[in-house]
This record gives sequence, C-alpha cells and structure tokens, in this order.
Amino acid sequence: ETGVTQSPTHLIKTRGQQVTLRCSSQSGHNTVSWYQQALGQGPQFIFQYYREEENGRGNFPPRFSGLQFPNYSSELNVNALELDDSALYLCASSYLGAPPEEAFFGQGTRLTVV
Amino acid sequence: GEDVEQSLFLSVREGDSSVINCTYTDSSSTYLYWYKQEPGAGLQLLTYIFSNMDMKQDQRLTVLLNKKDKHLSLRIADTQTGDSAIYFCAEMDTGTASKLTFGTGTRLQVTL
Repeated sequence: ETGVTQSPTHLIKTRGQQVTLRCSSQSGHNTVSWYQQALGQGPQFIFQYYREEENGRGNFPPRFSGLQFPNYSSELNVNALELDDSALYLCASSYLGAPPEEAFFGQGTRLTVV
Repeated sequence: GEDVEQSLFLSVREGDSSVINCTYTDSSSTYLYWYKQEPGAGLQLLTYIFSNMDMKQDQRLTVLLNKKDKHLSLRIADTQTGDSAIYFCAEMDTGTASKLTFGTGTRLQVTL
C-alpha cells in the first residue's frame, strides 16, 4: 500500500472524446509525475507538477494537460482522444529532492480508446 | 536523448539465480533504478543505485553498475515463482524535472 490512489481504475472512451484521470498524492508529498505505459512498453514521462506548477514535460502534445491542486492531488486531462492513447496511465508521488525510495507509484488507470 | 535498453524475456528455474541486464545512454544519470511490475499492477521500486557506486546488495538482490560501459544488471538469488513479473530498469534525469526514463522491460518467467 503506497498511499497513492488513482481513479478510475479502468475506463473506456470513444475517439475524439476528452478524459480526466485523477491521482491523490501520499501525505506530505508535493510533487506528482504522470507516465503513459503503452502495452508491452516501459512507462514514458508525460509531465511533472510541483507546487501546482508544471515542472517539466516529456514529448507529448498539448492535448495532454494537467493540474495540481493545493492539497497536491493531481489531474491528467487528455483532449481529442486517439486510439494510440490507449494505455496504462501511472502517477508517481514524491517530495522534490527526496531520496528515490520515497517516490511511490499508484496502481494506474487503464484507458481504452475505441 | 536518453535511451534505456533491456532484453525482452528471461526464463529461469526456481532456486536458480536470475540476471537481468540493461544498458543506458545518459552518462549524467544520478540514480539508476530497478522496478517490478506484476500483471495488472503499478510499479514497485525494488532497489536503486547511486551513480558513484558500482555495487549494491539488498537481501536477495544485487545491483552491479559499470559506468564505463553504461551497463546495469540486477541479480536475483534463489529465484522464486513469486519473482515472476516484468522488471524495468530506469535512469533518472535530474534536469528540469526529476523524470525517469524506463527501458522496455524484461519479462522474468520462473519455472518449477
């Protein structure tokens, strides 16, 4: 049990729709990172939020956006869904500058785009 | 850019040692990690090594780092069926954000 909770666990969306995924951070953590894991691949970094500001972004288009709230929970929004967006989306909660063993991943949200 | 490569599959017999290998390209990585992912689950941090070390042992796990060759390995002693999973190595880029770059994962199958 990592204390990092993602919701929903699974969902199915239609191409062109929009989706919001949620992540609640572990208590005391101020940084959330989001990753996309396509089937058979390793996770790829989407972006990171630190104290409600985007703090770095991977190679993802602007239709992937995020928010971090004052309680450090976070949302990942994806607009104009494409079939290739089907993946497991993982969030990782940490305290900026903390040692590696203090960063925890949630169980992920499995998104299927049809 | 960063790139992390792993072999796709490894099969070992229960009780034997497993060695999972990884090569990376970013020489500025500060930490290198090993994660375990079981079916339908998120990522579990197994162990990590700081880039100025060449070995780290943690119970059944031994990590070896060859910085010159940019090669990382994870040895699991006395492999058990519960070790069957996908293992990812990852390097951390501490530039703008502390982001992890993962390999494609090695599926470890443990047979009786």
